[in-house]
Amino acid sequence: DAGITQSPRHKVTETGTPVTLRCHQTENHRYMYWYRQDPGHGLRLIHYSYGVKDTDKGEVSDGYSVSRSKTEDFLLTLESATSSQTSVYFCASLWGPSSGANVLTFGAGSRLTVL
Amino acid sequence: DAKTTQPNSMESNEEEPVHLPCNHSTISGTDYIHWYRQLPSQGPEYVIHGLTSNVNNRMASLAIAEDRKSSTLILHRATLRDAAVYYCILKGSSGSRLTFGEGTQLTVNP
Repeated sequence: DAGITQSPRHKVTETGTPVTLRCHQTENHRYMYWYRQDPGHGLRLIHYSYGVKDTDKGEVSDGYSVSRSKTEDFLLTLESATSSQTSVYFCASLWGPSSGANVLTFGAGSRLTVL
Repeated sequence: DAKTTQPNSMESNEEEPVHLPCNHSTISGTDYIHWYRQLPSQGPEYVIHGLTSNVNNRMASLAIAEDRKSSTLILHRATLRDAAVYYCILKGSSGSRLTFGEGTQLTVNP
């Protein structure tokens, strides 16, 4: 178990407010990911990181930014939350180097509701 | 990114085997086939992965077609706890972008 913790686990906020979700891992994993999952749908990649200060966009990155100043922390920020960003957000991490055999470990999720 | 195709849903009876298919016709030679599952209200968890040969672990078996364009996750005796969404993804050795499809919702009937 990679020991990934997400915080907060639940958050209700209002449209237009900034929101930051935190992902913390204790296994020194190089790669970290943020996904969102809407009801009845699969996971969609928002952003990912392949090292400290190295990040890239995923499939649905509009409206989101990320930062990774330390190996163990990957922050997802919604600068101005909208109702369409109501979702469950999952963080995941992966040990490097980038071998096809390395497996993902996921956090428990952060449920965000934007009113 | 190489894509995978899975049925939206499948149904099984308890204690019967379940075969969950995945098509990945654009797989490259270095892509591993990974399976994850997501139990209700939980984050996804790793199930099994393989490259070319069939694989077994305590959770499941993975059968990979000879041309590697498809694979099948096998649950030998489904239990009610196996009801989940099962995702098949391809993971290469270069790059780190990992995308998931919609997965297969497995229902297990008592």
